[in-house]
Amino acid sequence: DVKVTQSSRYLVKRTGEKVFLECVQDMDHENMFWYRQDPGLGLRLIYFSYDVKMKEKGDIPEGYSVSREKKERFSLILESASTNQTSMYLCASSPTGLKLFTQYFGPGTRLLVL
Amino acid sequence: GDSVTQMEGPVTLSEEAFLTINCTYTATGYPSLFWYVQYPGEGLQLLLKATKADDKGSNKGFEATYRKETTSFHLEKGSVQVSDSAVYFCALSDQTDKLIFGTGTRLQVFP
Repeated sequence: DVKVTQSSRYLVKRTGEKVFLECVQDMDHENMFWYRQDPGLGLRLIYFSYDVKMKEKGDIPEGYSVSREKKERFSLILESASTNQTSMYLCASSPTGLKLFTQYFGPGTRLLVL
Repeated sequence: GDSVTQMEGPVTLSEEAFLTINCTYTATGYPSLFWYVQYPGEGLQLLLKATKADDKGSNKGFEATYRKETTSFHLEKGSVQVSDSAVYFCALSDQTDKLIFGTGTRLQVFP
């Protein structure tokens, strides 16, 4: 059974803290993605990675960075958390070739920045 | 750029009612189209997809037909159940492995 796990379901941080969100997939997928989900805005792509150590900016990369040192793990980093980064963060992975395959999502991390 | 527009919710229905959630898209190429569902407290999961014009995707009683002439991919189900209560997202993929999502439509089904 395919599985994407995220390190925390709920997280509370203070403004200015450095925050790490971890995502692990066990399907040997090439692609991994980080989205944020906000009411009325749907899912917006922050960053994605199509291979180890490779990354590309999505639609809203400002204030975020990512790291992919191993194929199965993709980390999202908030260098200095701000209140406008309070959101639901979703990780996904997929094989190459979306016409044939799909993206598999983790359960999400709900982050509150105070 | 490419985009997806879907009807705002919430959509509120009684059990066994007919469901339609509208989705239209704008794309320069020939995208694949998807419906994802998010049950309370969970991540998204693929509900159905279609990869070319006139394809019909179906799963769990839900259907959607890829209509190139109207650039639409409306989600339908003949008889909804309380367990269908969730948020539904329409999405497209162009020639890359990235998805572009609509804003989501919340469905609430009451007994």
